[in-house]
Amino acid sequence: IAGITQAPTSQILAAGRRMTLRCTQDMRHNAMYWYRQDLGLGLRLIHYSNTAGTTGKGEVPDGYSVSRANTDDFPLTLASAVPSQTSVYFCATSKEGGETQYFGPGTRLLVL
Amino acid sequence: KNEVEQSPQNLTAQEGEFITINCSYSVGISALHWLQQHPGGGIVSLFMLSSGKKKHGRLIATINIQEKHSSLHITASHPRDSAVYICAVRSGGSNYKLTFGKGTLLTVNP
Repeated sequence: IAGITQAPTSQILAAGRRMTLRCTQDMRHNAMYWYRQDLGLGLRLIHYSNTAGTTGKGEVPDGYSVSRANTDDFPLTLASAVPSQTSVYFCATSKEGGETQYFGPGTRLLVL
Repeated sequence: KNEVEQSPQNLTAQEGEFITINCSYSVGISALHWLQQHPGGGIVSLFMLSSGKKKHGRLIATINIQEKHSSLHITASHPRDSAVYICAVRSGGSNYKLTFGKGTLLTVNP
């Protein structure tokens, strides 16, 4: 693989279900980010990680959790999905915090 | 009020025209990013700048820190430039948090 992969590409989920969105990178970047993109609101940061083993909260962290067990993977978990979490989710990386960010292809999530 | 305002929201141009997209922000920043999102959804970083001007091909980005304003220019526009252009700012307090504008939808007609 080259770059950033996200899985699944799209998903329809019943409200109340647990869901993990996966993000994997092969660029050995230290910093990783999860964003959601909603019409009329633009991109908003959910959580970030500046290096393996550490995570931080972004602008809209409620209802989401992340982990960073290693450099390559940064999964985003919705513990109990709600319809307001319907969105397009983008994972991004940067070599270090504050540098140019590279985005994955996105995951479209519909919560019913 | 959004901290990052872009104008115009929508822009339609004819092929070959010179395009300008504006971004104004209300907080002190350490850097400003311009990104491009194509109709398929993929997001690509175009520029990151903290002063002056940067150029890449037909794209030019400028920033005026004192006026809290940045512009993205496209010379000799082409239909393949049709995309959403997004401005984002990094505040001085954090290296990790970007605040994004809502984007400018550019359509270039042949």
